[in-house]
Amino acid sequence: DAKTTQPNSMESNEEEPVHLPCNHSTISGTDYIHWYRQLPSQGPEYVIHGLTSNVNNRMASLAIAEDRKSSTLILHRATLRDAAVYYCILRDDKIIFGKGTRLHILP
Amino acid sequence: EAGVTQSPTHLIKTRGQQATLRCSPISGHTSVYWYQQALGLGLQFLLWYDEGEERNRGNFPPRFSGRQFPNYSSELNVNALELEDSALYLCASSLDLAETYEQYFGPGTRLTVT
Repeated sequence: DAKTTQPNSMESNEEEPVHLPCNHSTISGTDYIHWYRQLPSQGPEYVIHGLTSNVNNRMASLAIAEDRKSSTLILHRATLRDAAVYYCILRDDKIIFGKGTRLHILP
Repeated sequence: EAGVTQSPTHLIKTRGQQATLRCSPISGHTSVYWYQQALGLGLQFLLWYDEGEERNRGNFPPRFSGRQFPNYSSELNVNALELEDSALYLCASSLDLAETYEQYFGPGTRLTVT
């Protein structure tokens, strides 16, 4: 099964950009890269997904390496409400959530 | 539009009993997913149903089973409960089984096994 590797935790200052990395060296050509986040005491919520090209939406941007073995979720201007666990997952026949990165935002 | 709903919110069982958890997907969604989230751990994929068929399952023993009904709602059954089955069980739904569609998660059922 394709796996992802993320740092356990990261810190960022409020109103600064945040770059959350994810390694997925065993990704296959048909795997989509999805990002979800889980706020405290809530179920996960979808953030963004992509296949090969970089993607932008109102929540974040997703930068995908040319060889697709890594990707970076970019929060352009972090707020305290962005403090959450961020999961990078690969979608194929199975759905593998890693342990995620706990993002702390410092006021 | 109503989101994904799960029942019950909390469930307390004793070791060896059976637990049944229920999930209603967003209207129009045909795929339902089940996840286990033990305290302090990430999400572990359990089961995936689409159009009434089991699409895939995670690395869980056969005592974890489920089904999807014609109205696309789903049930997760856990037999012969063990203490380590205590966890938050999350259900999610998506428009269909394509990898491009995002999953929408319910609030979860907290299962406690004593």
